Amino acid sequence: DAEITQSPRHKITETGRQVTLACHQTWNHNNMFWYRQDLGHGLRLIHYSYGVHDTNKGEVSDGYSVSRSNTEDLPLTLESAASSQTSVYFCASSVQRINTEAFFGQGTRLTVV
Amino acid sequence: TQLLEQSPQFLSIQEGENLTVYCNSSSVFSSLQWYRQEPGEGPVLLVTVVTGGEVKKLKRLTFQFGDARKDSSLHITAAQPGDTGLYLCAGGRNAGNMLTFGGGTRLMVKP
Repeated sequence: DAEITQSPRHKITETGRQVTLACHQTWNHNNMFWYRQDLGHGLRLIHYSYGVHDTNKGEVSDGYSVSRSNTEDLPLTLESAASSQTSVYFCASSVQRINTEAFFGQGTRLTVV
Repeated sequence: TQLLEQSPQFLSIQEGENLTVYCNSSSVFSSLQWYRQEPGEGPVLLVTVVTGGEVKKLKRLTFQFGDARKDSSLHITAAQPGDTGLYLCAGGRNAGNMLTFGGGTRLMVKP
């Protein structure tokens, strides 16, 4: 069965370190998204990609970057981790950009100390 | 201020009660989705509504899209403990081609 997987599921890192969260999907979807989830804020879009070599900033993109070198993967990099980036991060993919189901990974809980 | 406001933020009810969750905005959406999320998992789609005034039913869950496509509601009849979770609405806008999520409603149904 097709799926979307995130790794690691949990990570603790120190302030100032670079961190990369992996996202891999086997749906062959062109559209991939990274969200962060914090209490009271629902899901906020960090970055998104509509295809290979395409990346776009979402509403909370400062301090984050993504790259899309193939269809399956959209890694999220925190250039210099800050305590404000402690959150649960979700990756998602979809067939269309909107109006269709977004399939989510199980999330990565990141703690910056 | 979020583009999509959900209310209530928290709801604790007894098994068998009915409830309604609201998702409101001043913006028009081309579609409105409802997701349910359990602890430690990613959100899972329940329904997508695309036409103003549209009503969809999923067993005991009834979803409605407002006539002006600015708001939506989720009504659960005879809630069960298995309905416990975080309910998220998400609006799709043609401008920007992206989904915008509400803040979520955390529902607890006590047996």
